[in-house]
Amino acid sequence: GAVVSQHPSRVICKSGTSVKIECRSLDFQATTMFWYRQFPKKSLMLMATSNEGSKATYEQGVEKDKFLINHASLTLSTLTVTSAHPEDSSFYICSASPGGKNQPQHFGDGTRLSIL
Amino acid sequence: GENVEQHPSTLSVQEGDSAVIKCTYSDSASNYFPWYKQELGKRPQLIIDIRSNVGEKKDQRIAVTLNKTAKHFSLHITETQPEDSAVYFCAASNFNKFYFGSGTKLNVKP
Repeated sequence: GAVVSQHPSRVICKSGTSVKIECRSLDFQATTMFWYRQFPKKSLMLMATSNEGSKATYEQGVEKDKFLINHASLTLSTLTVTSAHPEDSSFYICSASPGGKNQPQHFGDGTRLSIL
Repeated sequence: GENVEQHPSTLSVQEGDSAVIKCTYSDSASNYFPWYKQELGKRPQLIIDIRSNVGEKKDQRIAVTLNKTAKHFSLHITETQPEDSAVYFCAASNFNKFYFGSGTKLNVKP
């Protein structure tokens, strides 16, 4: 149980393109999902908390207009990297939890984004 | 906000030896501390967790200890095996927001 699916796994595109990444909870409902960014050989950096039916809350230093988050249903959150540039290249990964407070987060497989 | 520090950044041990990874956190309100194992290019996988009302937890070869007063927690792996080689992350959480340590690359030499 508690499977999180993320799609696509890999994206290569030109600078200026907007890229949408989907995160789905397959066997549970998630009112909250989380988006992380991970640079090579570095830790997972929390970018934002995706809240079903309301606005996402962003961590300090994360541009909300650059990284648009939509959590339209209890099983789907999307992250759109708008007008992507090479510095946006990174590994993006989402997580969700079926339980209440302070329960293990289950991660998607991640999306490797490469902007040329 | 929460600041989690993790040491060491790399750890090399001989198969069968023990490995210890340590983390400290800054926010006394954090009350949930999971440990994740991440293999290259893969998703992090939960290996063990501990809540603030417990001082120690063990699951076979893996154990975690928590000292709330000192705000530090540690992962202990005994009888290490080559398949334990991976990057390990600690995290501290309050209200489901996870803040991760910088990771420890564990290499278990056969």
